[in-house]
This record gives sequence, structure tokens and C-alpha cells, in this order.
Amino acid sequence: GDSVTQMEGPVTLSEEAFLTINCTYTATGYPSLFWYVQYPGEGLQLLLKATKADDKGSNKGFEATYRKETTSFHLEKGSVQVSDSAVYFCALSDQGGSEKLVFGKGTKLTVNP
Amino acid sequence: GAGVSQTPSNKVTEKGKYVELRCDPISGHTALYWYRQSLGQGPEFLIYFQGTGAADDSGLPNDRFFAVRPEGSVSTLKIQRTERGDSAVYLCASSLRQSSYNEQFFGPGTRLTVL
Repeated sequence: GDSVTQMEGPVTLSEEAFLTINCTYTATGYPSLFWYVQYPGEGLQLLLKATKADDKGSNKGFEATYRKETTSFHLEKGSVQVSDSAVYFCALSDQGGSEKLVFGKGTKLTVNP
Repeated sequence: GAGVSQTPSNKVTEKGKYVELRCDPISGHTALYWYRQSLGQGPEFLIYFQGTGAADDSGLPNDRFFAVRPEGSVSTLKIQRTERGDSAVYLCASSLRQSSYNEQFFGPGTRLTVL
């Protein structure tokens, strides 16, 4: 079945550091790919998405590019802030059918001032 | 506008008891999803409704779990004969199921603890 593997955490960075969280996927079809974020005490929120190969999703300074050849969707940010501290989840959704989301295990990011 | 709401926010019960968890989706959203998130894990799909019908219940772990959405809006997840392993955060999400992509909006979850 479909699956998502993401970088184990936790990740601790200093403010303004560069962030990469790796995500790879296995899917039978051509999924849409997502990054969701869960801030402390809040619900899951969509951070960014890409629906086809070579698409780049971006939001709040975060970016991820859908790489079909490497089945990857790595999350990057050039300069993290303390307010980026959260748990980040990579997810996929098969197009067609129920479009249920399949999530990775999550990566906890802590940014120190 | 109002987001997805879930009640109760916390539920503590004893092994063997029956529980109901409620989800109020965003008004007008036809699709509704239930997920379960265990500690340190990502959410796992349980069931998907399109309108009133369960279109995909492949994630329900066993027949102790059941969900309904009788009027195509509010949904209730029902767990019979609860077990300690059912302890988790139960998440509900809804979406418009537009053709381009499926953005699911999540509620805050119900934390279920089975003693």
C-alpha cells in the first residue's frame, strides 16, 4: 500500500538556520503531496501542497518540490524562526477514490532564539 | 467562518465501555474523514464519508468501530467495548472535494483515554 517515510526527529535549530526535512513516498498511482503542520496546542493545518511532478509548493517561506524520479517531497526553509517550532507531517493522497491522506510519522522542530 | 469542531475535547473511559465522539464539519463540506493519531505517530485513516454514505471504511481496525453521518453533516464515531489500545487522539477532517486537489481541514481532535 501507499506509504510515507519522513526524517526522524526531533530537529533542533537556531534561529535563521536552514531547514530541510526529508520525505519520500511509495504510491501505486500519481499522488498529490502535502506538508501539514501542527503548532503546539493547535490542530493540523495544511502548509503547502503539490499535485503533480515538478510542481513546487510554497507558503510562509517554506518550499517543497514534487520529485517523481526520486519519489521525494523534501521540505525546506532558508531561515527558520522561533515561531516555526511545530511538528511537521508529510502526507500523500491518491487522486481519485476516497483521497484519504496517508501521513508520515511527523518531525518535531524546535527553533531556539 | 467556523472550522471543524469536535466534542468532547477529552474523554476518559474504562475498558469495556462504549463511547461516542462527535464531529461538526465546515458548513457545506460534503466529504468527512476520521483519523486516529497515536502518540508519536502520524494520523491514520479510519473512514471517509461522501454525503451520508461511508465511501471508504477500509481503515476501521475492527467491528468495534462504527461511524455514521445520517444527514450528511455531523458525524459520530462509535467505539464499543473499548480497549486500552484504543487510547489516541481521534481527528476529524472535512473537505469540499474539489476536482483539483483535496484540502482537508482538521478539527482539534478528541483525546480518548481508556483506563
